[in-house]
Order: sequence, then C-alpha cells, then structure tokens
Amino acid sequence: LAKTTQPISMDSYEGQEVNITCSHNNIATNDYITWYQQFPSQGPRFIIQGYKTKVTNEVASLFIPADRKSSTLSLPRVSLSDTAVYYCLVVLYSSASKIIFGSGTRLSIRP
Amino acid sequence: DAGITQSPRHKVTETGTPVTLRCHQTENHRYMYWYRQDPGHGLRLIHYSYGVKDTDKGEVSDGYSVSRSKTEDFLLTLESATSSQTSVYFCASRPGQGTQFNEKLFFGSGTQLSVL
Repeated sequence: LAKTTQPISMDSYEGQEVNITCSHNNIATNDYITWYQQFPSQGPRFIIQGYKTKVTNEVASLFIPADRKSSTLSLPRVSLSDTAVYYCLVVLYSSASKIIFGSGTRLSIRP
Repeated sequence: DAGITQSPRHKVTETGTPVTLRCHQTENHRYMYWYRQDPGHGLRLIHYSYGVKDTDKGEVSDGYSVSRSKTEDFLLTLESATSSQTSVYFCASRPGQGTQFNEKLFFGSGTQLSVL
C-alpha cells in the first residue's frame, strides 16, 4: 500500500487559493489519487480523484505531475465553510483492497 | 449521496458487554468498510467486505468481528467492549461495479460509542 504524507495543518484567509500537497513516492501503476473532506461530526466526503495530469470539478482541482509521486489539491477562493480536514489517499480499486486514510491536513480559514 | 445509514447513532455501554453496530446501504454496493476515528486523528480501517460473506481484516481488527449476510448490511461486533474502543465508528461503501475512475467511498453519519 502506498503511504501518503501531507502537512498536518494549514491556515489561510477567505478569498485565497489554497494548495495542499501530498507525497506518495511508492505509488503503483494502477493506483488512483483521491481526496476527501471531513467536517466535524460528519463522515468524509469525496472531493476529487485523478490518475494523471489535471482534473477539475466544481469544487477543486487536482494536479498530478508526470511521475505521480505527489499531487496537489487546489481550492480556489476559499471561504470559512472550507475549514475541514482534507485526506489524500492512494487507492487500488481493481481488487478487494484496503482503503487506508492517513491523518489528513487540518485546514483553517480565517475571515 | 448513497443511502448509507448507521445504527445506533449513539451508544453507551459498559466494559465487557457485547455491542453490535449496523451499517445499511440501499445502493447495491459491493464493497463495505468499517473505520474508527478517535479525537484529533484520522480514520483507521477495522474490517472490510468485498462481497456477501467475504470479509478481511484492516489495520486495527483486534477485538472486532464483522459479518455480511446480505449485500445491504454490514455488522460490526465488539465481542467484549473495552474502554479503548470508545470512538466514533464510520461505515462506508463503494460500488465496485463501474469504471475505476468513478469509484469512490460513500460514508454514513457515524456512531458515537462510549464504553464506560
């Protein structure tokens, strides 16, 4: 299983773009990179997923370099409601594999 | 979001008592997972299931057992609860039937378990 490393915490201000980088040096060929968001007292919620290059949806963008050993979640123009814990996962979906969460990045947005 | 419900939402029990938590999904998902989350920490995988009657251990399976007799239900049992099992328990499921790119986990709302 590929291990992920991400910052424990980050702070930013409303209206700023926030980039959270995740390192996954031993990612395997068939692994996907997935990010989840968790608010207090709630279960995690899927944000975005990618395999290579760039993926964008209505919530975020995910940048993956060619070597796939890292990825960056980009949140444009954050608001107070983006304060949450963000988890980076490397997942193999093609088999009955374990899906492991790390400790995540606690993002705090200030007014 | 997928229809995943956990019951009970809150449970207080005594040390040594057996406890069963239920996860029910209405999406016909193949894979189901049980996680625990302790204050200030990430989620840790307890057990998971890859089909009816097919289960495997996760990262922290000691003291827990699971059963899946139907696609929609995944039960987590603490045979003899201990104070160290006080935690929030989350259930999740994923389809396992479409393209890999569309795969993702859907989570329930969690069960707060306190073992006194």
